[in-house]
Amino acid sequence: QVQLQESGPGLVKPSETLSLTCTVSGDSLTNYYWSWIRQPPGKGLEYIGFIYYGGTTNYNPSLKSRVTISVATSKNQFSLKLTSVTAADSAVYYCARALPPGEVNCFDPWGQGTLVTVSS
Amino acid sequence: QSMLTQPPSVSAAPGQKVTISCSGSSSNIGDNYVAWYQQLPGTAPKLLIYDNNKRPSGIPDRFSGSKSGTSATLGITGLQTGDEADYYCGAWDSSLFAVVFGGGTKLTVL
Repeated sequence: QVQLQESGPGLVKPSETLSLTCTVSGDSLTNYYWSWIRQPPGKGLEYIGFIYYGGTTNYNPSLKSRVTISVATSKNQFSLKLTSVTAADSAVYYCARALPPGEVNCFDPWGQGTLVTVSS
Repeated sequence: QSMLTQPPSVSAAPGQKVTISCSGSSSNIGDNYVAWYQQLPGTAPKLLIYDNNKRPSGIPDRFSGSKSGTSATLGITGLQTGDEADYYCGAWDSSLFAVVFGGGTKLTVL
């Protein structure tokens, strides 16, 4: 059974960098794309991007200039960095596996999510 | 503003049927598979429907999906109070080269 768990600071200061890690258990990072998705409080889902274990990445054009997703295959983890954050980046951040293998048609499973608040 | 358009809310009585629409364009729904997600209060989204109309293991057949042109529909029959949740559609967008989601629909079971 695949499980994903997000971790990282819950509070980030404006203009600083948000850093989160997703630890995957029950599956290898190979064969799938792995994604980040966020949800501002009371709002809908926003796709951030994905990474393939070989290093291929894809980012939401609206965030592309500030986002980096990386992978640590040996640790079965992938990470998100979002620079120059503002209050608008406050959200619950989810990591998820993309399906089917080698494509991005849907996301399953999802991590439980971690709330990140941007405030001084 | 979401790339896919969903009604903000729908409601129906227990035991009844409800449908939730998701409208897009030729570059997303028209050209790619649609997925639906259920988000119960305070929890992470869960995959409900993939590839337009397929159900993952464990999802009851009360949930169904369909697609026609640039629109998709989620159907739920035999409504239960436990179905009260937010429902989101999503699809790859071939022009944006990214995943797009609908704004979400809140289902109330009266």
